[in-house]
Amino acid sequence: EDKVVQSPLSLVVHEGDTVTLNCSYEVTNFRSLLWYKQEKKAPTFLFMLTSSGIEKKSGRLSSILDKKELFSILNITATQTGDSAIYLCAVGGAGNMLTFGGGTRLMVKP
Amino acid sequence: SAVISQKPSRDICQRGTSLTIQCQVDSQVTMMFWYRQQPGQSLTLIATANQGSEATYESGFVIDKFPISRPNLTFSTLTVSNMSPEDSSIYLCSVKDPLAGGSSYEQYFGPGTRLTVT
Repeated sequence: EDKVVQSPLSLVVHEGDTVTLNCSYEVTNFRSLLWYKQEKKAPTFLFMLTSSGIEKKSGRLSSILDKKELFSILNITATQTGDSAIYLCAVGGAGNMLTFGGGTRLMVKP
Repeated sequence: SAVISQKPSRDICQRGTSLTIQCQVDSQVTMMFWYRQQPGQSLTLIATANQGSEATYESGFVIDKFPISRPNLTFSTLTVSNMSPEDSSIYLCSVKDPLAGGSSYEQYFGPGTRLTVT
């Protein structure tokens, strides 16, 4: 059975801090790994990673995938209160389905 | 990316009743999915909505409880039947990016429907 595990479960930091969120997976026929930000209801797409070692960046957010060790990290630098959200990692394996991790709840305090 | 809308955005329903949730996309998409997110939990795939044929359900979900329609490439409905308080969740539709390649897993989510069953 496909499995995606995120850590930590929750994190509280202050504005300006840098955070690293982790996602490890065991998936049959890995295709891609996706990161989402969920603030209220709808997850918002952040990144899709398919190749090891290639960093994806968008502003203060960056992510990288290690297909040998089966994990990905999401980095957020100079955090702001608007970064407070649940961050979800999902992995696409056999078929078209995504398997989601349990999420990391990030709270950024002023 | 596709623009996805869902109706209703939220509802409070009595047990034993049924609710139909609509998902509308502004462009034709091949793949549409329905997810459930129970309170404090992550997303779980209910089914893949197939255009012109029966939906493909994941383990633990059945058509009698969650009938799905997909009459065309831009619209789908999910019905939550004979509801109980355990069905209280956020229900989300998602689509595979129509501009992405066939091997891409890039998926985008609708705004969600928050369902509370009393």
